[in-house]
Amino acid sequence: EAAVTQSPRNKVAVTGGKVTLSCNQTNNHNNMYWYRQDTGHGLRLIHYSYGAGSTEKGDIPDGYKASRPSQENFSLILELATPSQTSVYFCASGDVNQDTQYFGPGTRLLVL
Amino acid sequence: GEQVEQLPSILRVQEGSSASINCTYENSASNYFPWYKQEPGENPKLIIDIRSNMERKQTQGLIVLLDKKAKRFSLHITDTQPGDSAMYFCAARGTNTGKLTFGDGTVLTVKP
Repeated sequence: EAAVTQSPRNKVAVTGGKVTLSCNQTNNHNNMYWYRQDTGHGLRLIHYSYGAGSTEKGDIPDGYKASRPSQENFSLILELATPSQTSVYFCASGDVNQDTQYFGPGTRLLVL
Repeated sequence: GEQVEQLPSILRVQEGSSASINCTYENSASNYFPWYKQEPGENPKLIIDIRSNMERKQTQGLIVLLDKKAKRFSLHITDTQPGDSAMYFCAARGTNTGKLTFGDGTVLTVKP
């Protein structure tokens, strides 16, 4: 199974502050994804990437930016965090020739 | 974009009985349908998937059925055990973007 790690695992931020969530995968997958999970909404796609240097908007991109500086790393950036962004964030990776997405352990973000 | 509806949202069954979860999708071009199991505090893990060139797939007590005409797919867990208690998500992937759209999840509780 693909190795996907996320940091930090837990984060408390203040409203208006900047938050960066990091994701690293070691299986050389081309595609990476950021989701948030809230009760009653399942997993919703925020941003995704097809490879280094590429970022694409997902279904709920407002308030978030993404950065893919390398094949291994994909970051999610909240420039001005709001309490509505309190959630659990999952990163996932997948190979372009396969269908399966492998999820990281998640980051719990609390914005006060 | 794709929309995936998942029912029921809550499912309680007796140990040893079967459990069924149903999902419908809108995009007839969707071609890949994975199922994920998520235990509390953990990340979603793929348990079974089916592609559009198949109607049925079975593995270790799990059966997935796909009805492309009705745009419906379902997960059937036979001989449920307490360890099957978890959140289950279905998802559908469109051929044009490769993105997965998830259902809102089903909380399955297997009573001893």
